[in-house]
Amino acid sequence: GAGVSQSPRYKVAKRGQDVALRCDPISGHVSLFWYQQALGQGPEFLTYFQNEAQLDKSGLPSDRFFAERPEGSVSTLKIQRTQQEDSAVYLCASSPTGGSSTDTQYFGPGTRLTVL
Amino acid sequence: AQSVTQLDSHVSVSEGTPVLLRCNYSSSYSPSLFWYVQHPNKGLQLLLKYTSAATLVKGINGFEAEFKKSETSFHLTKPSAHMSDAAEYFCVVSDLGTYKYNFGTGTRLKVLA
Repeated sequence: GAGVSQSPRYKVAKRGQDVALRCDPISGHVSLFWYQQALGQGPEFLTYFQNEAQLDKSGLPSDRFFAERPEGSVSTLKIQRTQQEDSAVYLCASSPTGGSSTDTQYFGPGTRLTVL
Repeated sequence: AQSVTQLDSHVSVSEGTPVLLRCNYSSSYSPSLFWYVQHPNKGLQLLLKYTSAATLVKGINGFEAEFKKSETSFHLTKPSAHMSDAAEYFCVVSDLGTYKYNFGTGTRLKVLA
């Protein structure tokens, strides 16, 4: 079946612009995660949804970052007034159950954001 | 607190020779441990995971890893490298009772012909 998809795959924004990154998880997956991967680093946790509820947003770096999953499937990560330090690959992952340490997370290909 | 240290940022091996990618972890509770591979422009793919069952875990594409609690290690091995194994490898830890993945900084594997 289809895996996790993300769009756009590449996004170039001018500093100060707002961007919206989309994630389509595997159908029926309860949990959805967003990660930020800076160049040469491992992914870092941003936020976690269980169905439509955002249960953890402790990793969001500032109040310019906002995520939603209104119907418990597709999710959007929005970044307002982008800054150069926001340049990174943004990864989305989903897992079938309600968030357990043993769950496998299935990752999308990521969106590479470049802020000029 | 949970964390992972990948001891080598780059590893080069010749095709057909063994692969060893090293990972040490720190965990307050009973951890789950994962190895993921990332090929260029592709999503992270799970190679294998340890979740408190057998300490020797076999994964896809001939990879395996051994959980050693006394050494707090979870090293990834493969008996014979293939050109298609060239990629970035990430070790991940997740503590019991949490859903968060903590990634290492990655090891880039280069396979020489």
